Amino acid sequence: GENVEQHPSTLSVQEGDSAVIKCTYSDSASNYFPWYKQELGKRPQLIIDIRSNVGEKKDQRIAVTLNKTAKHFSLHITETQPEDSAVYFCAASKGNQFYFGTGTSLTVIP
Amino acid sequence: KAGVTQTPRYLIKTRGQQVTLSCSPISGHRSVSWYQQTPGQGLQFLFEYFSETQRNKGNFPGRFSGRQFSNSRSEMNVSTLELGDSALYLCASSLQDQETQYFGPGTRLLVL
Repeated sequence: GENVEQHPSTLSVQEGDSAVIKCTYSDSASNYFPWYKQELGKRPQLIIDIRSNVGEKKDQRIAVTLNKTAKHFSLHITETQPEDSAVYFCAASKGNQFYFGTGTSLTVIP
Repeated sequence: KAGVTQTPRYLIKTRGQQVTLSCSPISGHRSVSWYQQTPGQGLQFLFEYFSETQRNKGNFPGRFSGRQFSNSRSEMNVSTLELGDSALYLCASSLQDQETQYFGPGTRLLVL
């Protein structure tokens, strides 16, 4: 089955700096890669996703890149703000099953 | 549309008991997946249902089971509860394969 690894497990940045979270996957057939943000005590919420026919996608301060050859994808958050503090999960999917990384706890220091 | 709902939100059980959790997907969504979330383990996939059929099952013991009804609502059952079953159980629904999964608020289960 698919194996998704996520790094780092914790990340602290100063407000205004950028944050990068990286994930690798094992199954080359995976073709859909969503990222979720989970604030404390709340449900995971989709923040951005990318499909395997696209190399990069941006949405305001958030971007995701995908390298299919290396089987890794990354989340980039620019101009971080305190409200970006949360746990972020990456996932890889083919068909109807999603495999999640173990999460990155991001803290943005004001 | 209303989001994914889960009931109950909190449960306290003792070892050996059984529990049933319920998930109502977004209207029109036919795929429902269940996950167990524990600190440090992330989201562990339990099973996925589509049109009342279990299509995938994760690596959990047979004490964990589920079903889906004709209206796409889903239940999961855990029998003979163990302390290690204490976790947040999340369900997620999607319209079809490889579409965004939308999560419910979860049921927090504490086994004493």
